[in-house]
Amino acid sequence: DAKTTQPNSMESNEEEPVHLPCNHSTISGTDYIHWYRQLPSQGPEYVIHGLTSNVNNRMASLAIAEDRKSSTLILHRATLRDAAVYYCILRRHNDMRFGAGTRLTVKP
Amino acid sequence: NAGVTQTPKFQVLKTGQSMTLQCAQDMNHNSMYWYRQDPGMGLRLIYYSASEGTTDKGEVPNGYNVSRLNKREFSLRLESAAPSQTSVYFCASSGDRFSTDTQYFGPGTRLTVL
Repeated sequence: DAKTTQPNSMESNEEEPVHLPCNHSTISGTDYIHWYRQLPSQGPEYVIHGLTSNVNNRMASLAIAEDRKSSTLILHRATLRDAAVYYCILRRHNDMRFGAGTRLTVKP
Repeated sequence: NAGVTQTPKFQVLKTGQSMTLQCAQDMNHNSMYWYRQDPGMGLRLIYYSASEGTTDKGEVPNGYNVSRLNKREFSLRLESAAPSQTSVYFCASSGDRFSTDTQYFGPGTRLTVL
């Protein structure tokens, strides 16, 4: 099974950009890259997903390396409400394997 | 629009007791999922239902049974609870089981087995 590797934790200052990295060197051609986040005491919520091209939505941007072996979630201006665990997931149909994720701390 | 709802929010069981966790969604989604999350870890898929009338095993199905009662409801049953099943259980739903579909999660049920 394709796996992802993320740093255990990262810190950011409020209103600064945050780049959350993810390595997925064993990704296959049909795997989509999904990002979810989990706020304290809540269920995960969808952030963004992509296949090959960079993607933008109202929450974040996703930058995907040309060889697809890594990706970066970009929060353009972190707020205190963005403090959460961020999961990078390779998804193929129903198979969505969560790793331990990156715990993002946002300092005021 | 409540999204995905789960009952109960909290439950304490003794070893060997049984219980059913309930999940319902009001988004007319075809696919539904049950996950468990142990402390400090990511979610692991227990069972899923791609559509009404079908269920399939996920990564950690042992000790659990599921029922897709109708399109809205998907229940998870523990027949004989064990301390190893102490966890937070999340239900999710998605329009379909395609790789691009977003999964929407409920608030979770925190289960302790003594």
